[in-house]
Amino acid sequence: AQSVTQPDIHITVSEGASLELRCNYSYGATPYLFWYVQSPGQGLQLLLKYFSGDTLVQGIKGFEAEFKRSQSSFNLRKPSVHWSDAAEYFCAAIRPRDDKIIFGKGTRLHILP
Amino acid sequence: GAVVSQHPSWVICKSGTSVKIECRSLDFQATTMFWYRQFPKQSLMLMATSNEGSKATYEQGVEKDKFLINHASLTLSTLTVTSAHPEDSSFYICSATRTPTSTDTQYFGPGTRLTVL
Repeated sequence: AQSVTQPDIHITVSEGASLELRCNYSYGATPYLFWYVQSPGQGLQLLLKYFSGDTLVQGIKGFEAEFKRSQSSFNLRKPSVHWSDAAEYFCAAIRPRDDKIIFGKGTRLHILP
Repeated sequence: GAVVSQHPSWVICKSGTSVKIECRSLDFQATTMFWYRQFPKQSLMLMATSNEGSKATYEQGVEKDKFLINHASLTLSTLTVTSAHPEDSSFYICSATRTPTSTDTQYFGPGTRLTVL
């Protein structure tokens, strides 16, 4: 079973609109959680991570994510997207049993002008 | 920020030949490097973890004799795909961390597109 799930394969939003990308995990314990962005020709870049503490995490490029234990979710948000945000976004978690990072299948974000 | 490079960025080879992919940490020493494989519209699948000076640890289902990993220095790891076949065609990505700690930030290379004819 997929341990990190990103339900949306593609998301299209207009420039300036708000964004929310969904991520769910299926581990019993709270794993360490990450969001990465992959742009063509570039390596994955860490946007933010959650280990413990405040459930609202601020990241780079104006992104934030909220950890919700009751929903096993770690959704990524941005209040106003820019055309340069078009990319593939990956949610990831450290698998508790062996400390290996597991990635979701990714969500491709398209921005309409 | 920490930079990781990969070379080559793409390679095309004939079936049966071997291909070597390099992963370098340019401005930091990488105690641990990871190799991933990414299929189109799929997530990154961890292939192996290598620590400098030690044998790589391979994930279940990954043939260690086919995917040879060498981490000879703190700035260089290589992945050699031996006797490549068309099913080995994929996007290979490496990442590096400063420490072996699982929560240490991974810095990713831009990837290498391998096409086996």
